Amino acid sequence: GAVVSQHPSWVICKSGTSVKIECRSLDFQATTMFWYRQFPKQSLMLMATSNEGSKATYEQGVEKDKFLINHASLTLSTLTVTSAHPEDSSFYICSAKRTANQPQHFGDGTRLSIL
Amino acid sequence: DAKTTQPPSMDCAEGRAANLPCNHSTISGNEYVYWYRQIHSQGPQYIIHGLKNNETNEMASLIITEDRKSSTLILPHATLRDTAVYYCIVSDPFGNEKLTFGTGTRLTIIP
Repeated sequence: GAVVSQHPSWVICKSGTSVKIECRSLDFQATTMFWYRQFPKQSLMLMATSNEGSKATYEQGVEKDKFLINHASLTLSTLTVTSAHPEDSSFYICSAKRTANQPQHFGDGTRLSIL
Repeated sequence: DAKTTQPPSMDCAEGRAANLPCNHSTISGNEYVYWYRQIHSQGPQYIIHGLKNNETNEMASLIITEDRKSSTLILPHATLRDTAVYYCIVSDPFGNEKLTFGTGTRLTIIP
């Protein structure tokens, strides 16, 4: 159990467009979902934490108006990168946890390339 | 900043036990020790976690010292598919539940 699915796996788009990434917990209900970003040869950096039905909590330095997070149900969270630019190109990874004392389980990530 | 210290890289012969150390000398009483691994171009995979007792599951064993200032992840019979970056993370799942990833240990299994 504890499978997290991300879609799409990779996306290439032009500068200025918006891109939506979906994160689903397939076999459990997730009280909390997390969004991370990983640049080449670097470690994962937490971008934001979201709880179902409430506004996401963003980490310092992450623009909430640029990275829109929606957590409308216990099995789905979305990250929309608005007006994407080449510097937003990165590996975006989500995670979900069932309850407080359960570990986070990660999706396989979305590789975003902005031309 | 990551609250753990791990060696940057390790090699282990295929079939042997891989022992990955982690120092977390500033761990607080509410914080658990979590281990994840990341194979190239994939999301991190959960391995195991523990508070103070040793833990074992189908993937690995976790040995936590009595003072909780360090731990060791043991992969009992390493295979080539265990080649990955292994992250040791301390986190309070009931408080600030964030996972702060450091640089981890790059484990290479040698045929």
